[in-house]
Amino acid sequence: QKEVEQDPGPLSVPEGAIVSLNCTYSNSAFQYFMWYRQYSRKGPELLMYTYSSGNKEDGRFTAQVDKSSKYISLFIRDSQPSDSATYLCAMSANNDMRFGAGTRLTVKP
Amino acid sequence: KAGVTQTPRYLIKTRGQQVTLSCSPISGHRSVSWYQQTPGQGLQFLFEYFSETQRNKGNFPGRFSGRQFSNSRSEMNVSTLELGDSALYLCASSLEVIGAWYFGPGTRLTVT
Repeated sequence: QKEVEQDPGPLSVPEGAIVSLNCTYSNSAFQYFMWYRQYSRKGPELLMYTYSSGNKEDGRFTAQVDKSSKYISLFIRDSQPSDSATYLCAMSANNDMRFGAGTRLTVKP
Repeated sequence: KAGVTQTPRYLIKTRGQQVTLSCSPISGHRSVSWYQQTPGQGLQFLFEYFSETQRNKGNFPGRFSGRQFSNSRSEMNVSTLELGDSALYLCASSLEVIGAWYFGPGTRLTVT
């Protein structure tokens, strides 16, 4: 079993839809949780950064962390074609960072 | 503030050669890490440096090495290149030892 599990998709939604991206993990030591967006042939761009359980909202993006279930989510409201990218979850503990495989999202106009 | 920069952006080498990639972190960031990204394996951690000291190393052969300089700039070296080393090599920097990492655009290495 991988330490971080993320459905690679691909996920295709119409413009304006609410998108839900999820990751599960097995290491309870993870304390920092991140979501990155990566466009084709570019480096990952940090979208959201949270510490411990709870919700964090930034514009159309909401990150949720449920440490008791070892489950994190990223919600994208009013999705736009420009949101089409690969989304990677990441988490870290003690200088050790782990990434999910990434979910490829396409938002169709 | 300028982001993480990596040079060169693209590189083509032949098997058996060696290569050096360079990374300049965001100003003030003292932690630098390197990743290899391939379609099949995703993002794989290579190593992490903090204040010129390697703090963490991934599961890669000894042909992969790195270092960090006093100005926090970092280099990674791959010797005796193999076809399987073809990948996007990403550098990331962080203000804190544990926390959010900011990635550069990557160096795309092709080994022929």
